[in-house]
Amino acid sequence: AQSVTQLGSHVSVSEGALVLLRCNYSSSVPPYLFWYVQYPNQGLQLLLKYTSAATLVKGINGFEAEFKKSETSFHLTKPSAHMSDAAEYFCAVSEGFQKLVFGTGTRLLVSP
Amino acid sequence: DVKVTQSSRYLVKRTGEKVFLECVQDMDHENMFWYRQDPGLGLRLIYFSYDVKMKEKGDIPEGYSVSREKKERFSLILESASTNQTSMYLCAEAGAGGFHEQFFGPGTRLTVL
Repeated sequence: AQSVTQLGSHVSVSEGALVLLRCNYSSSVPPYLFWYVQYPNQGLQLLLKYTSAATLVKGINGFEAEFKKSETSFHLTKPSAHMSDAAEYFCAVSEGFQKLVFGTGTRLLVSP
Repeated sequence: DVKVTQSSRYLVKRTGEKVFLECVQDMDHENMFWYRQDPGLGLRLIYFSYDVKMKEKGDIPEGYSVSREKKERFSLILESASTNQTSMYLCAEAGAGGFHEQFFGPGTRLTVL
């Protein structure tokens, strides 16, 4: 079965600093990978997805993620954090029947 | 734009009550999912459905059932609510093809007293 590990339940950065949220996956087949964002009291919104077309994937709000097969990683980055980026972020890997397996989430805190 | 709606944003029920959570999607998609979200545990799949009247158990189906009588509507049922079912419930939908991305509703925060 697929699994996802997100290192760090909380990550704190200053406004303008680099954001790096880590995600490692296990999959027996080439995976589809996703990052979702959840703002307080809302559902999940798709940030970006990896579908094997390109290893560097650009998403909304200036985020991007790089697929590294050798490291089984799909880390999420943003060059310069904004206060509005404060949210919880979930990494997910695809499984059969359109199912997704989610990580436990990383809460991003952005300080002025 | 994809739209997934859930019947309530906040719900308070008493132990032993029967609870219905409804989810409606407007994309005519085949696949629908119910998750619960708890701090530190991420999202856990309760049930999913890949067609009308079809359902499959997810990872934590105990204490829940589902109904899908129409393609656009997927209901989660708590037959006899218990305090350990206090949680955020999220509905999602996905097309049969594509890259498996799911689109989520706003969630229902259920409190069982």
